[in-house]
Amino acid sequence: SYELTQPLSVSVALGQTARITCGGNNIGSKNVHWYQQKPGQAPVLVIYRDNNRPSGIPERLSGSNSGNTATLTISRAQVGDEADYYCQVWDSYTVVFGGGTKLTVL
Amino acid sequence: EVELVESGGGLVKPGGSLRLSCAASGFTFRSYSMNWVRQAPGKGLEWVASISRGSDYIYYADSVKGRFIISRDNDKNSLYLQMNSLRAEDTAVYHCARGWVVGATEFDSWGQGTLVTVSS
Repeated sequence: SYELTQPLSVSVALGQTARITCGGNNIGSKNVHWYQQKPGQAPVLVIYRDNNRPSGIPERLSGSNSGNTATLTISRAQVGDEADYYCQVWDSYTVVFGGGTKLTVL
Repeated sequence: EVELVESGGGLVKPGGSLRLSCAASGFTFRSYSMNWVRQAPGKGLEWVASISRGSDYIYYADSVKGRFIISRDNDKNSLYLQMNSLRAEDTAVYHCARGWVVGATEFDSWGQGTLVTVSS
């Protein structure tokens, strides 16, 4: 079965750039979606199909996908960006989520 | 405004059954695929099942295949998850989520979830 690998945690200084990776075999050939989840809340879609932002999601969040790694980039990180982030793909009639990355803004 | 509201969670003994519901509003329910995603306490997201707009395509995670049944009623704007032979490892918050093409696209709206606890 297909697996997605994310770092357990990423730390970023306030105002700096955070990059959260999502590794998978030839993930560049798939559409990758990213979700943000804050404690006690439902997940929120922040990037879809590699690099598209839903309405209401700030331009500071962007995505890329190539080779074996997809990346969610959060520029000018804010305290409000602290959350768990999950990548997701569709493979062989199965929805696959990464294990999630906890973003801490220092 | 899109709204998804889950209900039906609760405490159930191992081997028992439970039926979850998801009431949808604010959009044309029959035009979207729907999904169940669960999250065990302190753990990550785990996909459970997906159903196409007309219920002609249905997919399950291996962990629930043969025990859970996803269904929908487009006239009632409702999604369901019948859970049988429940195990302790099924304990989780169960979210319904809206999609487009069944399974293959992003989940653009999520409900807050309903908690299922399997314990004796």
